[in-house]
Amino acid sequence: DAKTTQPPSMDCAEGRAANLPCNHSTISGNEYVYWYRQIHSQGPQYIIHGLKNNETNEMASLIITEDRKSSTLILPHATLRDTAVYYCIVRPWTNAGKSTFGDGTTLTVKP
Amino acid sequence: DAMVIQNPRYQVTQFGKPVTLSCSQTLNHNVMYWYQQKSSQAPKLLFHYYDKDFNNEADTPDNFQSRRPNTSFCFLDIRSPGLGDAAMYLCATSRGRYNEQFFGPGTRLTVL
Repeated sequence: DAKTTQPPSMDCAEGRAANLPCNHSTISGNEYVYWYRQIHSQGPQYIIHGLKNNETNEMASLIITEDRKSSTLILPHATLRDTAVYYCIVRPWTNAGKSTFGDGTTLTVKP
Repeated sequence: DAMVIQNPRYQVTQFGKPVTLSCSQTLNHNVMYWYQQKSSQAPKLLFHYYDKDFNNEADTPDNFQSRRPNTSFCFLDIRSPGLGDAAMYLCATSRGRYNEQFFGPGTRLTVL
């Protein structure tokens, strides 16, 4: 299974864009990139996923490099409620049992 | 609202005393998962059900078992809890193996 590497922590000013990087240099062709976040004492929440094209939804944008070895989650206008641990996961399209969470990035949004 | 429900939210048990955690869902998803999350660590998949088919992770201890009597309910049984089993246990569901997972709020287990 492809592993992911994320910075352990990041700060962001409220109202600014938060850019969270993820390295997945061993990703294979059938693996998608998923992002989840976990607010303290809650279950993880799905944010977005993609294969090779950039994706956008109401929560965030996902930018995947052309070689697919890294990606960036963008929260365009971070709020205090976006303070959470953000997990980048690579997951094969064929086996649900391989959703391996990495260590994640603790994002702190500051006023 | 459709959701994943876990009961109880907090469970205290004694060392070696069997305990069962429950999960129910109103999403009608066919895949259900159980994760263990220890303090300051990422969630770790224990096993999942694809419909009625049980899929165990290779490193899940035998002490952990699961039952899924119907689509809506799934149980996690810990046969002889040890102090190292104290953790948050998360239930999640998905429609098929290919879609995003929806997580419940978790059950925090304390072992005395």
